[in-house]
Amino acid sequence: DTAVSQTPKYLVTQMGNDKSIKCEQNLGHDTMYWYKQDSKKFLKIMFSYNNKELIINETVPNRFSPKSPDKAHLNLHINSLELGDSAVYFCASSSSTQPLGQYFGPGTRLTVT
Amino acid sequence: TQLLEQSPQFLSIQEGENLTVYCNSSSVFSSLQWYRQEPGEGPVLLVTVVTGGEVKKLKRLTFQFGDARKDSSLHITAAQTGDTGLYLCAGGARGGSNYKLTFGKGTLLTVNP
Repeated sequence: DTAVSQTPKYLVTQMGNDKSIKCEQNLGHDTMYWYKQDSKKFLKIMFSYNNKELIINETVPNRFSPKSPDKAHLNLHINSLELGDSAVYFCASSSSTQPLGQYFGPGTRLTVT
Repeated sequence: TQLLEQSPQFLSIQEGENLTVYCNSSSVFSSLQWYRQEPGEGPVLLVTVVTGGEVKKLKRLTFQFGDARKDSSLHITAAQTGDTGLYLCAGGARGGSNYKLTFGKGTLLTVNP
């Protein structure tokens, strides 16, 4: 069974569109994250949720809106996509707000044309 | 802003050689994690170190956390082609009420047969 899963794996869309990425974890963790990895492989945190509550919100454009319907799911909605949003987006989870071990999903490669 | 510098950025060696990857910061971290990422996949946690001076071994991999908890190293003995991948270090620290991981930019290791 996949521990952290994301859909879709690949997403190609045009500028100005709105898209969503879904994430689910079956590890029983209470904290989930979204990371962005740029073309140079730099991994940077965007958001973190603990028990469905937002606890970390880095300097991310408000076109990005995370939503956690329950502690096993954390979705990412992006409005008015821009070329610079092209990247690989990773969802991750951990067992507490002290992330001594984070488990990552396989990533969603977003390409904005 | 806490920064983690990894060196070298790229490393290409022959199978059987030993290597060391470094992760340095001017900031103190309460924990330090090492991940390995293969192409098209998410990072996979290798180890977490939390105590200054701590050394952990995982088969041919040896991880060390600096005494001042500002730096870490990963040593691989007798590298194998399966060790090829992007090695990421990540420092954990509390910022206000949040606990956040800061990632280094990674070391891309290629082990040639």
